[in-house]
Amino acid sequence: AQSVTQLGSHVSVSEGALVLLRCNYSSSVPPYLFWYVQYPNQGLQLLLKYTSAATLVKGINGFEAEFKKSETSFHLTKPSAHMSDAAEYFCAVRSTGGGNKLTFGTGTQLKVEL
Amino acid sequence: DAGVIQSPRHEVTEMGQEVTLRCKPISGHDYLFWYRQTMMRGLELLIYFNNNVPIDDSGMPEDRFSAKMPNASFSTLKIQPSEPRDSAVYFCASSLDGGNTEAFFGQGTRLTVV
Repeated sequence: AQSVTQLGSHVSVSEGALVLLRCNYSSSVPPYLFWYVQYPNQGLQLLLKYTSAATLVKGINGFEAEFKKSETSFHLTKPSAHMSDAAEYFCAVRSTGGGNKLTFGTGTQLKVEL
Repeated sequence: DAGVIQSPRHEVTEMGQEVTLRCKPISGHDYLFWYRQTMMRGLELLIYFNNNVPIDDSGMPEDRFSAKMPNASFSTLKIQPSEPRDSAVYFCASSLDGGNTEAFFGQGTRLTVV
């Protein structure tokens, strides 16, 4: 079985502040992990993915995430938030142990304030 | 490639009517996923296919829902009869084979059942 848990359904930061969105995973086999972003009335697009090549993964728009096996975490960060980062962010897990099914967390709505 | 194409983008129907949502995956992709997104339940995996074969339909809410993939370039999700609680955004996504590959999402179909 596999699952992801996103702590905090809503996160609010000031423009220029650090963004930290939390994701913890559960998987019986080494997982592949993904972060997606969804802007209003649009589909999901990939921000970054972890595929075991490197624990620190850099994505688009200045986002990055670090895979920590000891903590079963894959938190998403960005050093300085921009107004255009306001969106909903989803963490997802996929593994061969789960039949290559792609399972999403419940999402975190990021609000960026002036 | 044009990406994952879903039709229609919007559908409004009366309770009790049959609804068919359509999806054209990216050419060459082996996996196809159907998701439903609502405010209350977030992003739920309904069913997914590998090489046109349904692998896991445990997320299909009830017998009113059915999905088919007659060939590698087309899939349908049918609801019959539709109910107001089926109102949601339905997303189709496709990916290459392998757990380390990301899924590409369509723009979604916004279904309203009145």
